[in-house]
Amino acid sequence: TQLLEQSPQFLSIQEGENLTVYCNSSSVFSSLQWYRQEPGEGPVLLVTVVTGGEVKKLKRLTFQFGDARKDSSLHITAAQPGDTGLYLCAGEPRANSKLTFGKGITLSVRP
Amino acid sequence: KAGVTQTPRYLIKTRGQQVTLSCSPISGHRSVSWYQQTPGQGLQFLFEYFSETQRNKGNFPGRFSGRQFSNSRSEMNVSTLELGDSALYLCASRTGTVNTGELFFGEGSRLTVL
Repeated sequence: TQLLEQSPQFLSIQEGENLTVYCNSSSVFSSLQWYRQEPGEGPVLLVTVVTGGEVKKLKRLTFQFGDARKDSSLHITAAQPGDTGLYLCAGEPRANSKLTFGKGITLSVRP
Repeated sequence: KAGVTQTPRYLIKTRGQQVTLSCSPISGHRSVSWYQQTPGQGLQFLFEYFSETQRNKGNFPGRFSGRQFSNSRSEMNVSTLELGDSALYLCASRTGTVNTGELFFGEGSRLTVL
C-alpha cells in the first residue's frame, strides 16, 4: 500500500506570509495530484505533476515533483484568506490505478 | 456541463441498518470512484468502477459494496451499519481512459450512524 505523508498537519498564518507544505512517500508514483477542499464541498484539482523534477505554477502557488517521483511540495507566495482550506495530495502508482490520498494539510490564513 | 451529483446529501441511520448512496458522474465519464472521508483517517479509497466492472478496490470489509450501471451511474451500499461508518462519502468521476485523469468530486453524502 502506497502511503502519502503530508506535513504540517495544521498551519495558521497571517495574510501576506509565504509557506511551503510537503507530501512525502517511500513509493514511486507515475503522477501526483494536489487538490483543495473547502468546507461542505468535494476536493477540487489544483495541479497534476508527472515528470520527476517538474515545477508547475498556478498564480501564487508553485508545485514541485521530486526528482525520484516520491515526494512533492506546494509553495504559496503572499497567502490570502481565500487560500484557506484543506490541501490534499494524491498519488497514482500507474495510470488508471487507484488514487491514494494523504490525510491533508489544514491551512488557515488570517486577514 | 453538469458536475457530479450525489444523493442524498445527508442521512441518519441506526446501527444494523443498511444504506444506499447514489452518484451520477459527469456526462461522458466512464469511471466512478468512491471514497470515505473522516477527520481521523482522511480520504480512504473504497472502490472504482469502469464500464460496469470493478477496476480497483480498497481495503474495506465486504459490508461495503458498489455497482455501476450501463449509463455510468453508480451506487454504493453499506450493510449492517456500525457507528464507525459515520463519515462523508465522496464520489468522483473521471474519463477513465487517459493517463492521470483528473478526478471530479461531488459534494458528498454525509452519513451519521446512531
